[in-house]
Amino acid sequence: AQSVTQPDIHITVSEGASLELRCNYSYGATPYLFWYVQSPGQGLQLLLKYFSGDTLVQGIKGFEAEFKRSQSSFNLRKPSVHWSDAAEYFCAAGAVQGGSEKLVFGKGTKLTVNP
Amino acid sequence: SAVISQKPSRDICQRGTSLTIQCQVDSQVTMMFWYRQQPGQSLTLIATANQGSEATYESGFVIDKFPISRPNLTFSTLTVSNMSPEDSSIYLCSVGQGYTFGSGTRLTVV
Repeated sequence: AQSVTQPDIHITVSEGASLELRCNYSYGATPYLFWYVQSPGQGLQLLLKYFSGDTLVQGIKGFEAEFKRSQSSFNLRKPSVHWSDAAEYFCAAGAVQGGSEKLVFGKGTKLTVNP
Repeated sequence: SAVISQKPSRDICQRGTSLTIQCQVDSQVTMMFWYRQQPGQSLTLIATANQGSEATYESGFVIDKFPISRPNLTFSTLTVSNMSPEDSSIYLCSVGQGYTFGSGTRLTVV
């Protein structure tokens, strides 16, 4: 079955420190891959997406993610975290199956940023 | 990317009643998707809605409980029927191609 795993439920970093959020997927073929951010009480905002091509993807708010086929991973990174980055982050995967582009989500990683 | 407007943004409803959630997109899209996010949980797909055809429901979700309409290429509704406290969740609509989401409807059933 298709699945997305985010191994870290909660991560705490200091402001200005670097960040890496892990994501692993299990799919029949290389899926489309996404990272979303959700602030408390808010909807989902798309940070970045990977369909094909360059395996290092740049997104909004200074985030980037790297697709590694050999590791079935799509980890999210940011070189210097800001207090406003505190939120829940979701990794998702999707594939066009029978015309349906539905997404499967990981359980999320909650990011806390210490001053 | 498409801009999605979702209404209402939040509601508190009595058990046994129904709530209809609206999703409006600023461009024509073939597929729209409805997701549920239970408290503290990730998102789960409820159904896929194509214009002019019956919605396709995921395992565990049925049309009698979550009827969906898709009258045109820019609009869809999801109804949560005969609500119970277990239906308290955030409900989000999404569109394919752009993979963007509406801001969600936060539903509390009392």
